[in-house]
Amino acid sequence: DTAVSQTPKYLVTQMGNDKSIKCEQNLGHDTMYWYKQDSKKFLKIMFSYNNKELIINETVPNRFSPKSPDKAHLNLHINSLELGDSAVYFCASSQGGQVETQYFGPGTRLLVL
Amino acid sequence: GENVEQHPSTLSVQEGDSAVIKCTYSDSASNYFPWYKQELGKGPQLIIDIRSNVGEKKDQRIAVTLNKTAKHFSLHITETQPEDSAVYFCAASTNAGGTSYGKLTFGQGTILTVHP
Repeated sequence: DTAVSQTPKYLVTQMGNDKSIKCEQNLGHDTMYWYKQDSKKFLKIMFSYNNKELIINETVPNRFSPKSPDKAHLNLHINSLELGDSAVYFCASSQGGQVETQYFGPGTRLLVL
Repeated sequence: GENVEQHPSTLSVQEGDSAVIKCTYSDSASNYFPWYKQELGKGPQLIIDIRSNVGEKKDQRIAVTLNKTAKHFSLHITETQPEDSAVYFCAASTNAGGTSYGKLTFGQGTILTVHP
């Protein structure tokens, strides 16, 4: 059974569109994250939620809005997509705390044309 | 904030050889250091981690060492196999904005290729 799942796996869209990526974890974890991996494979955290509360909000354009309806789900909505938003977006989860292992989803490959 | 430097960016070895990847970090408050393996088209997967109260940890062919004084840690893979070929990331965890929650800062990644 998939521990951290993301949909869709691939997303191709035009500049200016609005799109959402969904993430679900069945590990019973309290904390969920969104990461962006650029074309050079660099992984950088965007957001972190603990029990539906925003914990980390890195320097991310406000076109990106995370939403956590419950602690098992963390969705990412992106408004007015730009070419530079093309990347792989990973969702992750952990039990919480500083030294807890983070488990990553399979990624959503976003291409903005 | 934390800064993690990882070297080398690419590493090519023959099957059976050892591979070593090194990382340095800047924040002395970091206390958790995981290593992730990312295969093509997949998400990063934890392969080993070490906490700051431990100097070395081993799991079969994989070992990690930590030098807190020098602020560097290394991944050692012995008896490499072609299936070890992947991108490897080190990371360091620090407290996020005064909270007790961790924030992982990743190194730039190392592309490991093991030739049969």
